[in-house]
Formats: sequence, C-alpha cells, structure tokens
Amino acid sequence: EIVMTQSPATLSVSPGERATLSCRASQSVSTNLAWYQQKPGQAPRLLIYDASTRATGIPARFSGSGSGTEFTLTISSLQSEDFALYYCQQYNNWPLFGPGTRVDIK
Amino acid sequence: EVQLVESGGGLVQPGRSLRLSCAASGFTFSDHWMHWVRQAPGKGPVWVSRINSDGSSTSYADSVRGRFTISRDNAKNMLYLQMNSLRAEDTAVYYCARVAAGAKYYDNVWGDWGQGILVTVSS
Repeated sequence: EIVMTQSPATLSVSPGERATLSCRASQSVSTNLAWYQQKPGQAPRLLIYDASTRATGIPARFSGSGSGTEFTLTISSLQSEDFALYYCQQYNNWPLFGPGTRVDIK
Repeated sequence: EVQLVESGGGLVQPGRSLRLSCAASGFTFSDHWMHWVRQAPGKGPVWVSRINSDGSSTSYADSVRGRFTISRDNAKNMLYLQMNSLRAEDTAVYYCARVAAGAKYYDNVWGDWGQGILVTVSS
C-alpha cells in the first residue's frame, strides 16, 4: 500500500516570496501525481497533474516537478490568494491524497 | 461552463440509507467517467467510487465496497451514490467530480468538482 507524505506541515511565507512544497510517495508512482489547492469551505482546485502539467486556467507562477517518489510544487511569487492548504495526490494506483501542507502568511 | 451540483445529503442515523445525486451540465456528460470523493471534517479528501462513461464499469474504495453503489443516468445527466448501512465514519462532505480536461479519460485526477454536500451519520 502506497503512503503519501508531505513536508513541511506548515509553511510560513511572506507575500512575493517563493514557496517550495514537497511530496513523497513510499513507492514509485511514475508521474501520476497531482497537486490541489483548497480554501476553507471550498472544493479542492486542481493545480498540476501528470507531475508538471498545469491545469486549465492555473497561473504560471505554479509549477510542478519530479517523478518516481519525490515531487515538488513551487509557487514562484506568493500572492495573497495563494495562502491555503495544498494536497498532493497519486493516481498511479487507487487514488490517495497526502496529508497536506498549509501555506500561511509570515 | 461545467457545473456539478450535489443534493440529497443531511443527517441520518447509523445503519440507515441515503442517496446522493449530482446534476451535471455544461459538458457532454455521457462522454466522461465520473467520481465521488469525500472529505471528513478537518481531514483530507478521500476517493470513494468511480463509474465509466456508459455505466458498465464501477470501482469502490475498500471502506465502502458492498455498502455504496454508484450509478448514472446519461439521459438525465445525473450521477448517483446510494449509501446503505451508514456508519459514523461515513460523515463527510461528498463531492462529485469529473476527470480533468487534458488528462487521460481513465485517470483518477479531477479538474471539476461540485460544491459538496454534507452527510452526517449520527444517532
């Protein structure tokens, strides 16, 4: 059974700074990895799929990289609307989300 | 514009049943695999079930297999989740979701979500 982990649990960043979020799978998921953003009271919003492909309408400041077991979501210059909870999700096997990283204002 | 609107949630006693519905619009419903994903309060999302485009193939998470049934009516653009033998641990917001545009049709990655509907299982 695959286990997904995310680090850090909370990331404090100032607006305009770069944020780097990590996701690790306990076994290879190839590039079958997605990133979602979620704000309170809202459904998750797909940011990245296939590890590095931006979903429709997602700004270029969001980028994803990695393959196998190690993945990264980078937000190049944080905007006020980017402070939220971020989940990675593998879909190489039955889909499974990681525990999430909260990005808050420093 | 893609719209997914869930209904049918509410408070139900343990052991009872509930049927969720999801009304789809803004796309050709019969072309797409559809999913249910749930999220317990304060927890991350968890995939529940999926159905292929013509309804001939379904899959379930281990936690709901044998108790939940996913179905669809392509003539009405409707997705359903029949939930039987409900347990306290089924308490969650339930979302219907569509596979992301650009992803492979069978990929379990979701680009469109409904607003969610709360199901509370409690005596």
